[in-house]
Amino acid sequence: NAGVTQTPKFQVLKTGQSMTLQCAQDMNHEYMSWYRQDPGMGLRLIHYSVGAGITDQGEVPNGYNVSRSTTEDFPLRLLSAAPSQTSVYFCASSYKSTGDYGYTFGSGTRLTVV
Amino acid sequence: GDSVTQMEGPVTLSEEAFLTINCTYTATGYPSLFWYVQYPGEGLQLLLKATKADDKGSNKGFEATYRKETTSFHLEKGSVQVSDSAVYFCALGRGSTLGRLYFGRGTQLTVWP
Repeated sequence: NAGVTQTPKFQVLKTGQSMTLQCAQDMNHEYMSWYRQDPGMGLRLIHYSVGAGITDQGEVPNGYNVSRSTTEDFPLRLLSAAPSQTSVYFCASSYKSTGDYGYTFGSGTRLTVV
Repeated sequence: GDSVTQMEGPVTLSEEAFLTINCTYTATGYPSLFWYVQYPGEGLQLLLKATKADDKGSNKGFEATYRKETTSFHLEKGSVQVSDSAVYFCALGRGSTLGRLYFGRGTQLTVWP
């Protein structure tokens, strides 16, 4: 049982480049989300999905796109990378009701934009 | 809106010392409360949770009690070990299909031998 798998683990981008951060879970979780973690800021929600075909914005959605075509996958796209997007990104999933079950997190993607 | 406030770090302790990390929340109704732990270079792991008032969550020697009267969920451990060195996050969630977790800013704990 792999849980939540994120790829890549590390990435360096140049300003203006685009890329996709991959997230896959094999637990049949309905709820998936993307967070970014910055020093002193805790975790901030970027986008989330409550099921296949349904996505919504979190606190800091600008510059990011998501889609949820299957239950298992929830990729995060950076359209035109900026230095302000340098961060550690975490994907998390939950079985139905997040408030009752909490999240399972991936191990993170450390992104540097130069 | 819902929010969580946890004590500023870093916290530095000697091995076998008593640990308390304070967490208070702002929310209406009866949210669920969580503590997550993040070891260096890893993702967050659920440490313990409580889903209703007066519940006590416990795991690996850590405990936290859901206190609605003081809107608190303080994390405690009677005797910390070097291996407990990590960042600890308090979080709040709701039991709904639109549920999300609201995280505190995290508290860095370092335990010295």
